[in-house]
Amino acid sequence: SAVISQKPSRDICQRGTSLTIQCQVDSQVTMMFWYRQQPGQSLTLIATANQGSEATYESGFVIDKFPISRPNLTFSTLTVSNMSPEDSSIYLCSVTWTSRGETQYFGPGTRLLVL
Amino acid sequence: AQSVAQPEDQVNVAEGNPLTVKCTYSVSGNPYLFWYVQYPNRGLQFLLKYITGDNLVKGSYGFEAEFNKSQTSFHLKKPSALVSDSALYFCAVSPRYGNNRLAFGKGNQVVVIP
Repeated sequence: SAVISQKPSRDICQRGTSLTIQCQVDSQVTMMFWYRQQPGQSLTLIATANQGSEATYESGFVIDKFPISRPNLTFSTLTVSNMSPEDSSIYLCSVTWTSRGETQYFGPGTRLLVL
Repeated sequence: AQSVAQPEDQVNVAEGNPLTVKCTYSVSGNPYLFWYVQYPNRGLQFLLKYITGDNLVKGSYGFEAEFNKSQTSFHLKKPSALVSDSALYFCAVSPRYGNNRLAFGKGNQVVVIP
């Protein structure tokens, strides 16, 4: 079965700094998404990562705070910029494959703590 | 706008007893419906989905879910719960036409008591 990996798996960062999270898939995917799961909360969609073009952001999320890249069909990055303690969350990428229809499959997540 | 409600915070069930986790949704048209499970310090694992056809769908680990259009519900069930089923369960919905954007419920913590 296909593997979705994320780096780093966890990190502790100082406020005001930025962290880039990578999502790598071992086969070409149709769509890639980034979600945030705040402590004790459900998942909230941040944006859809579009290959070769700007990401599509959900209401409440902006490119300056969460720049996203997707240079090819297997890789995407999410940067959390100018971090504050409120950014402490689990960040997850998800992907879909044409062969598997509309189901999203999730990476293991990146656990971020901002001090 | 699409939304998902999981009315219970925690579901406690004795091992061997039937397990039910409730989910209702609000979305225009006929949605796609999903259940995911999250074990501690792990990502989300796909359990099952309803796309079309038979209202009863079967998924991984002995789980099944019943789609009820009139009640806009998609309850998750397992006939006999195991201690290893203790986890956080999320119901999710996406519109049938669109870019697969998922809306999640708040999640239900399931505790299976030995």
